[in-house]
Order: sequence, then C-alpha cells, then structure tokens
Amino acid sequence: SQQGEEDPQALSIQEGENATMNCSYKTSINNLQWYRQNSGRGLVHLILIRSNEREKHSGRLRVTLDTSKKSSSLLITASRAADTASYFCATVTQGGSEKLVFGKGTKLTVNP
Amino acid sequence: EADIYQTPRYLVIGTGKKITLECSQTMGHDKMYWYQQDPGMELHLIHYSYGVNSTEKGDLSSESTVSRIRTEHFPLTLESARPSHTSQYLCASKKTGGKSEAFFGQGTRLTVV
Repeated sequence: SQQGEEDPQALSIQEGENATMNCSYKTSINNLQWYRQNSGRGLVHLILIRSNEREKHSGRLRVTLDTSKKSSSLLITASRAADTASYFCATVTQGGSEKLVFGKGTKLTVNP
Repeated sequence: EADIYQTPRYLVIGTGKKITLECSQTMGHDKMYWYQQDPGMELHLIHYSYGVNSTEKGDLSSESTVSRIRTEHFPLTLESARPSHTSQYLCASKKTGGKSEAFFGQGTRLTVV
C-alpha cells in the first residue's frame, strides 16, 4: 500500500486561521516532501525535510518530522483564500532508486 | 519554471486502441515517474525510472508499459485502451539526491469510450 497517509481528508477554515495537515508513512525514508495541487493540475513542490531534520520553515509554512513515529505535519499560518488546494505529502525511499510515493492528500478550503 | 512537458493534454479514444502518452524534460534529471490520479483522489505510482534503460513498476498494478531510451524522454504506452484506463496521468522528474524536489508536468486527461 502507499506510504504517506494524510489526515484530515478535508479541512475547511476561515481566512486568517491556521491549517494543520498530518501525514504518516511506513518505511525508512531519505526525505519527506509536501506538494500542492490546484484543481487536478500538476503538483507544485512546497517544502522538503530530510530524515535528519526535525523542523523546517518557509514563509508561512512550517513542517515537522518525527521519524520515530513516522509522521510529519504541515502548518500553514494566516491562511488565504488562494491557499485553497489539495496538499500531498510524499516520501522518497532510501536507496538508489529514490522511489517517490504520495499519500491520499488533504483538500483544504479557505473561506474568505 | 518547470521544464517538463506532457502531450497530449486531453485525449478521448475508443476501446481497443493503442496509445502513447508522451513525457519529456529538459532538466537532465535521472529520475522520472508516472502517476495515475482520478479526480480529487490520491496519486498512484505506476512506473518509475532511475536512469536510462532502468524502469520499475510502481505500487499500483497497471497494464501500461514504459521505456527510457533517452534521459529526457519517458513515454507510457497502453497497448489496448479500456474504459477502466480513464484517468489523469501525471509525469514527474527529479535530480538524483536527497535534497531534490520533483517537477510535474500538467498531466494528460485520458478518456476511453
């Protein structure tokens, strides 16, 4: 089965609120990445956290990684209507093939 | 700006036809991937390649096949399309290495009638 199971599956918040999405995975990883997808288009990379890192920030994004629990979270602060999209975590397996496996995603709706 | 291209963007085709979905990247990336995604659903890895002449099947069983004869090109072929193949197909590529992100094409939306 796929790695990177996200929860919640759907999240609806008001503009200005924070949004938190969680991701769990099953095997050893090289790194974990978060992506965003607007309306069934191609995915856009947001942030990458390596297996030896615990927290990373990029603008309004904050990602944490707990390798002992095999879980990660993505926090979007001060959300905007333009943040409405689906968010996916993806894990890159250790080893030369670097298999990139995505979770089920969280559909975020930010209401103006 | 990602330099990865998929053609066609949309394809409607009859049952039993052979089709090839094209994916090309100009970034010199070693790793390339094909995903299948139904609207609003998760991405399923169906094929990946870690270099020329090296391809592997993904986690979702697929009747499609791929080839990687050149670094920049990773086409996906369905020998005999069926309605169950109706889906969106996304291609991605990345550099080798632990800090590299994947770049995605815009996808091919396939409808088999």
